[in-house]
Amino acid sequence: EVQLLESGGGLVQPGGSLRLSCAASGFSFNSYALSWVRQAPGKGLEWVAGSRGSGAGTYHADSVKGRFTISRDTFKNTLDLQMNSLRAEDTAVYYCARDSYGMDAWGQGTTVIVSS
Amino acid sequence: DIQMTQSPSSLSASVGDRVTITCRASQGISNYVAWFQQKPGKAPKSLIYAASRLQSGVPSKFSGSQSGTDFTLTISSLQPEDFATYYCVQYNTYPYSFGQGTKLDI
Repeated sequence: EVQLLESGGGLVQPGGSLRLSCAASGFSFNSYALSWVRQAPGKGLEWVAGSRGSGAGTYHADSVKGRFTISRDTFKNTLDLQMNSLRAEDTAVYYCARDSYGMDAWGQGTTVIVSS
Repeated sequence: DIQMTQSPSSLSASVGDRVTITCRASQGISNYVAWFQQKPGKAPKSLIYAASRLQSGVPSKFSGSQSGTDFTLTISSLQPEDFATYYCVQYNTYPYSFGQGTKLDI
C-alpha cells in the first residue's frame, strides 16, 4: 500500500526556518516524481515544489523560489522541504503527493503556522 | 507559466442531478490534467488523470473529457457524499498549476 506521511510542521516566527519531511513507503521511491502542495486556510491548492525521480531535477513555484528547497533522501525514502525566510502567507497545510497518473497518492498533511 | 481557469467557483445542485465543472488551460497541455475531490479537513482525493481516465476504485459516475484546452469533469446522479470541493491541475509542465476550485453544495 502506498503511504506518504508528512511531519515537521509547527509554529514559527516570521523570518524563521522549518524543515518538513515526507516518509514514503509501499512503492519504489526513486522511480517516481514527488511534489509538495499547500493549502492556506480557507483557500485552494497551490503547487509548491517538485522533484523528479532518479535525481532528474527539482522545481519550485515562483512564490517560494530562493526561500524553499525540495530534496529527497533515497536511503531514507523521504522527501524534504527546507523552508527559510518564512512569511505569514506561508501559513498552510502542506501535503506531499506522488506524481503518478496525476498525483494519485497524498499524505494527510502537516500544518505550518507563521506568526509572531 | 500555464494558468488553469476553473469555473464555476461554486455550484448548487440537488441529489440525483448531473453537474459539469470546467477548466481552461492558458496554452496547450496535451491531456495532462487531473481532477480531485476534497472534503473539509481531508487531503485531496484523485478522481481522474490524463483528462479522462478514471483512477482505480473511483465510481464511473465521475467522468472527464477534453476539447482542445478545455477540460471538463462531469458528475452524474449526485449523492450526498459527492458534495465537496473539486480541483483540476495541469501536470504537463512545471510549475504545475491548480484551478481555483469549485465548491459543490446542496
